[in-house]
Amino acid sequence: KQEVTQIPAALSVPEGENLVLNCSFTDSAIYNLQWFRQDPGKGLTSLLLIQSSQREQTSGRLNASLDKSSGRSTLYIAASQPGDSATYLCALLMDSSYKLIFGSGTRLLVRP
Amino acid sequence: EAQVTQNPRYLITVTGKKLTVTCSQNMNHEYMSWYRQDPGLGLRQIYYSMNVEVTDKGDVPEGYKVSRKEKRNFPLILESPSPNQTSLYFCASSYRTGFDEQFFGPGTRLTVL
Repeated sequence: KQEVTQIPAALSVPEGENLVLNCSFTDSAIYNLQWFRQDPGKGLTSLLLIQSSQREQTSGRLNASLDKSSGRSTLYIAASQPGDSATYLCALLMDSSYKLIFGSGTRLLVRP
Repeated sequence: EAQVTQNPRYLITVTGKKLTVTCSQNMNHEYMSWYRQDPGLGLRQIYYSMNVEVTDKGDVPEGYKVSRKEKRNFPLILESPSPNQTSLYFCASSYRTGFDEQFFGPGTRLTVL
């Protein structure tokens, strides 16, 4: 059974820092991996989608990488801002089904 | 505006009283799904649909029903709600069967007394 782990569970950094969020998974038979952002009391917003054949995706200050063989993905946020404060979730679409499996998230606080 | 809408956004009900949470998307997406989010358990998939009249169970389908009679709508039905179904529910859709970016609705907070 696929297990998805996100470390750290919570992170507090000063504004301007570059930071890395981690997502690890036990079954590498994935179709794609997606990173989401969730603001308190709100829905999820898709940030980046990486297909299993890709190594990374970039959008603005965000860069996501995928290493299937080691079961890892990272989300890199450059020059963090207070507006980046949110919970970040990774989700995997399994190769063998159409189920989406989520990690438990990393709660990020960027201090002004 | 491209979006996924859910209604109601908040609902308090009592055990056993049937309810339906509606979900609609205006993007002509094939794939739609329902999730529940609980503290400490994260987001878990309840049901998903790959197209009209095609639905399948996710990881936690017990106590829920769905239907997909039209492409744009994917209602979640709780025939006899119980307190353990108190949760935050999200509907999501994507263009193709799960392969593309998922768009989420704003969520429905359900409390079953």
